[in-house]
Amino acid sequence: QKEVEQNSGPLSVPEGAIASLNCTYSDRGSQSFFWYRQYSGKSPELIMFIYSNGDKEDGRFTAQLNKASQYVSLLIRDSQPSDSATYLCAVNGGSNYQLIWGAGTKLIIKP
Amino acid sequence: NAGVTQTPKFRILKIGQSMTLQCTQDMNHNYMYWYRQDPGMGLKLIYYSVGAGITDKGEVPNGYNVSRSTTEDFPLRLELAAPSQTSVYFCASSADRDTEAFFGQGTRLTVV
Repeated sequence: QKEVEQNSGPLSVPEGAIASLNCTYSDRGSQSFFWYRQYSGKSPELIMFIYSNGDKEDGRFTAQLNKASQYVSLLIRDSQPSDSATYLCAVNGGSNYQLIWGAGTKLIIKP
Repeated sequence: NAGVTQTPKFRILKIGQSMTLQCTQDMNHNYMYWYRQDPGMGLKLIYYSVGAGITDKGEVPNGYNVSRSTTEDFPLRLELAAPSQTSVYFCASSADRDTEAFFGQGTRLTVV
């Protein structure tokens, strides 16, 4: 059974600090890794994707991938109250077409 | 562009009733998906399609059916609704398997 694990939280971070979200996955054949943000009662929206080992930066967001250790993380710098949401990690499950989703980490940014 | 449009937004069904959730996308995406999301859980894939006329089962297909007669439309049919099908349903589409998935606004379904 292919799995994606996330700490459910809530993760509470002061405004302006760095929020660090982590995700581990079980399928070593996974090629693509995605972070989606989901506000309460809304649909998920893509924040970042990463395919290669290392870091990928986009504005205040940095995705980090370590395939040897099978984890992917999302860093949010200068956290804002508007970043408060649930962050979903999704991993492409190797040879088939299915994304495997983590249960999400609820992030709370405290003013 | 409207993106992915789902209807209805809310629905209450009685046990044993049937319904169809509609999904339309105007981005000419080949890949379309139906997910369900239970409280505190991640998305579970019900069915997916890689193009018109091609559908396949996902992780939790029992109790559901789909069809894909056009690129734009991917309806989800619930037959003989059960309380276990109470959930939020999302339709999504993507240009390719490894590209961004765009989601509809979701359908909150309650079976009583």
